[in-house]
Amino acid sequence: NAGVMQNPRHLVRRRGQEARLRCSPMKGHSHVYWYRQLPEEGLKFMVYLQKENIIDESGMPKERFSAEFPKEGPSILRIQQVVRGDSAAYFCASSETRGMYNEQFFGPGTRLTVL
Amino acid sequence: KQEVTQIPAALSVPEGENLVLNCSFTDSAIYNLQWFRQDPGKGLTSLLLIQSSQREQTSGRLNASLDKSSGRSTLYIAASQPGDSATYLCAVARTLGRLYFGRGTQLTVWP
Repeated sequence: NAGVMQNPRHLVRRRGQEARLRCSPMKGHSHVYWYRQLPEEGLKFMVYLQKENIIDESGMPKERFSAEFPKEGPSILRIQQVVRGDSAAYFCASSETRGMYNEQFFGPGTRLTVL
Repeated sequence: KQEVTQIPAALSVPEGENLVLNCSFTDSAIYNLQWFRQDPGKGLTSLLLIQSSQREQTSGRLNASLDKSSGRSTLYIAASQPGDSATYLCAVARTLGRLYFGRGTQLTVWP
């Protein structure tokens, strides 16, 4: 059973460009979470999604950031008009609710560098 | 708001020592607590998950305890090895959904 997959692993963008980060959850998992790890800071929650639904987006900046988890395909975190402060590692996690354990399994992350 | 604190921030020990890493949280109304390991430049590996109704969990040389009333968890690592060198993260969930993370304890085990 493959783990959580994220791509690309590294992404370089110039200020003002768009960044698209993809996450494929573990097989059988229908819940996806995105977290951001800024340099020298801890992991911060951004958004929690189920298939075709955003459950909690309280940690996501209101502007420039959006996330989706369509019925088919990976979850996408989209950052429009990137700025240098968006440079960070973005991690995706997935879980299944059977048994209600909420154990989250993380992907390897996408490291975004904004020039 | 849930705040998670981990002490110490860094720890350097010789191989073979038994270690205790500490995690505290401000809101005792948690759903579960999870310990992770993060290697440099890598993702997080789940080590142990403790449900709010449990007091401890064990996996190999690792043992995690939970005292919900005092807002504390400890991760005990027995007979440490150089391969245990990593950052250890504690995270709590208040409900199904988001995790609140501590800043981590950076562990170095030298031969």
